[in-house]
Amino acid sequence: EAQVTQNPRYLITVTGKKLTVTCSQNMNHEYMSWYRQDPGLGLRQIYYSMNVEVTDKGDVPEGYKVSRKEKRNFPLILESPSPNQTSLYFCASSGAGPYNEQFFGPGTRLTVL
Amino acid sequence: KQEVTQIPAALSVPEGENLVLNCSFTDSAIYNLQWFRQDPGKGLTSLLLIQSSQREQTSGRLNASLDKSSGRSTLYIAASQPGDSATYLCAVGSNFNKFYFGSGTKLNVKP
Repeated sequence: EAQVTQNPRYLITVTGKKLTVTCSQNMNHEYMSWYRQDPGLGLRQIYYSMNVEVTDKGDVPEGYKVSRKEKRNFPLILESPSPNQTSLYFCASSGAGPYNEQFFGPGTRLTVL
Repeated sequence: KQEVTQIPAALSVPEGENLVLNCSFTDSAIYNLQWFRQDPGKGLTSLLLIQSSQREQTSGRLNASLDKSSGRSTLYIAASQPGDSATYLCAVGSNFNKFYFGSGTKLNVKP
């Protein structure tokens, strides 16, 4: 089954404790992206990647890191999480080009205390 | 920076009614536009994708149109059903591979 998977689905952590949210897709997609969704603000793009070793900032990259060492994986790293990073996070992937729709993972609900 | 607005924020209709959801964007230099539905506690499900060179796309009871010059897209849902109740999001792809989402329209279809 074609899908985007994220782990963990739920995470409660404390300020300053490094964490990684994994994202994997099995569709051989070139493009992958991370978003956060907050009430009243909608989804905002954090980082995206056009292919292996090619990443770029979205609209809200501060406090986040990403890497793309393999085509299928695109982990999101929070080196020193803060409470304002409490949010619902989504990973998405698509083929390259404007005719390719984005497919989304199920989301990771992160709470930073 | 691209700004995407969806109106109305919420909509309640009786079952069987045809309805239109609106999405407007400020920069007409777009890559594509995609409509999604989001159910509570779930991820996003893609409904329709319109490339910048297209005017509309159809899938079943759904029809999405795009007017780049006026910065507008509409999602038309025919013969609405209670199962259509969800939040509908539009996402605009820019020419620099970034995507911008509206805040969504929460639709409630009453039996």
